[in-house]
Amino acid sequence: DAGVIQSPRHEVTEMGQEVTLRCKPISGHNSLFWYRQTMMRGLELLIYFNNNVPIDDSGMPEDRFSAKMPNASFSTLKIQPSEPRDSAVYFCASSYRREMNTEAFFGQGTRLTVV
Amino acid sequence: AQSVAQPEDQVNVAEGNPLTVKCTYSVSGNPYLFWYVQYPNRGLQFLLKYITGDNLVKGSYGFEAEFNKSQTSFHLKKPSALVSDSALYFCAVRDGNDYKLSFGAGTTVTVRA
Repeated sequence: DAGVIQSPRHEVTEMGQEVTLRCKPISGHNSLFWYRQTMMRGLELLIYFNNNVPIDDSGMPEDRFSAKMPNASFSTLKIQPSEPRDSAVYFCASSYRREMNTEAFFGQGTRLTVV
Repeated sequence: AQSVAQPEDQVNVAEGNPLTVKCTYSVSGNPYLFWYVQYPNRGLQFLLKYITGDNLVKGSYGFEAEFNKSQTSFHLKKPSALVSDSALYFCAVRDGNDYKLSFGAGTTVTVRA
């Protein structure tokens, strides 16, 4: 398997624009996580899906952020409108939730810069 | 609630010397503990995990970690560090049946030749 695939790897956008980040989890995995990494706050869990259903979105910072998982092989994280403080590296991770002892596998991340 | 602390922002060692990266955790149930490594401009890579059983867990690239329940610690170790081990290391914990994986702030390891 190619692992968790994220696109784009880098995104530079102007403040106020809509940004969509994409993730393809590992085939067969039924749990998907979106994380944000910044120097100031480290790794933050934004949202968690299980079997394509959002279970916990309490980490989503504002209503400007939304995430969807229309099927088991695709998820998006959208920011509308984007702001400079959204600049960060966004990671998608997936795991197979049979038991809680399974590790999560991370994608390469999307580095978002909002100017 | 669950949390992880990595008390050292940075660890510097000479190549060939032992490497230890510290981690302590707090959970209300049974802990599931993980170590990940992140190289520059890369995603997190899984190194090893503790679920149950032997307190000493062996993982990838010669790393191992020791689970200590009384001290609520899960320190990462490598007997002989390599320059290529220089990276950012994260400890993570999952509390019992909670799906949420909580990460520490990370420790930057620098191994000098």
